[in-house]
Amino acid sequence: DTEVTQTPKHLVMGMTNKKSLKCEQHMGHRAMYWYKQKAKKPPELMFVYSYEKLSINESVPSRFSPECPNSSLLNLHLHALQPEDSALYLCASSQGRGLNTEAFFGQGTRLTVV
Amino acid sequence: GENVEQHPSTLSVQEGDSAVIKCTYSDSASNYFPWYKQELGKGPQLIIDIRSNVGEKKDQRIAVTLNKTAKHFSLHITETQPEDSAVYFCAATLSGSARQLTFGSGTQLTVLP
Repeated sequence: DTEVTQTPKHLVMGMTNKKSLKCEQHMGHRAMYWYKQKAKKPPELMFVYSYEKLSINESVPSRFSPECPNSSLLNLHLHALQPEDSALYLCASSQGRGLNTEAFFGQGTRLTVV
Repeated sequence: GENVEQHPSTLSVQEGDSAVIKCTYSDSASNYFPWYKQELGKGPQLIIDIRSNVGEKKDQRIAVTLNKTAKHFSLHITETQPEDSAVYFCAATLSGSARQLTFGSGTQLTVLP
């Protein structure tokens, strides 16, 4: 099973709303990632969790708040977003260390901020 | 940090022809080079990868070659089919690095029937 599951698939939210994106994997991976992807661009790294601890925050605005409740789950809490935050949000996971660094992506959540 | 350049940005081929996408990287310490295929509305899917101790790797119609001296690697798709139409991203990383992948800018491949 090489599946990373993201929910919801689509989300429309207002600028004053609070919402959360969820990601789940059962591959035993210990590194999990959030990426943001705008149309016709490559994914941009936002956050990295390694062994359930936040190890990288790529200077992401505080209106994005990640959470890793356990080794299988990753959340991204959204609050007071701007229309320019509309994008495809991708979760990925990898084994985390050593040579096995293959990263597997979920299908993404298409977020629209209105 | 690592910088990955990818060419061409768009590529159209006739069904049955071959397609080649090329990437160059800047950090000679990078040693893991995956290729992702992204279909419309979906997440990137790992299709093939290569490590720096290998010069070429094949998987059915897909092959990747790596030239460490020149710091470039290429994706080769033979006998292309319409379902190969997608955006392809190359990437580079230092194996074991938590910072993970630096992506190329992507290639929109269109296979014409």
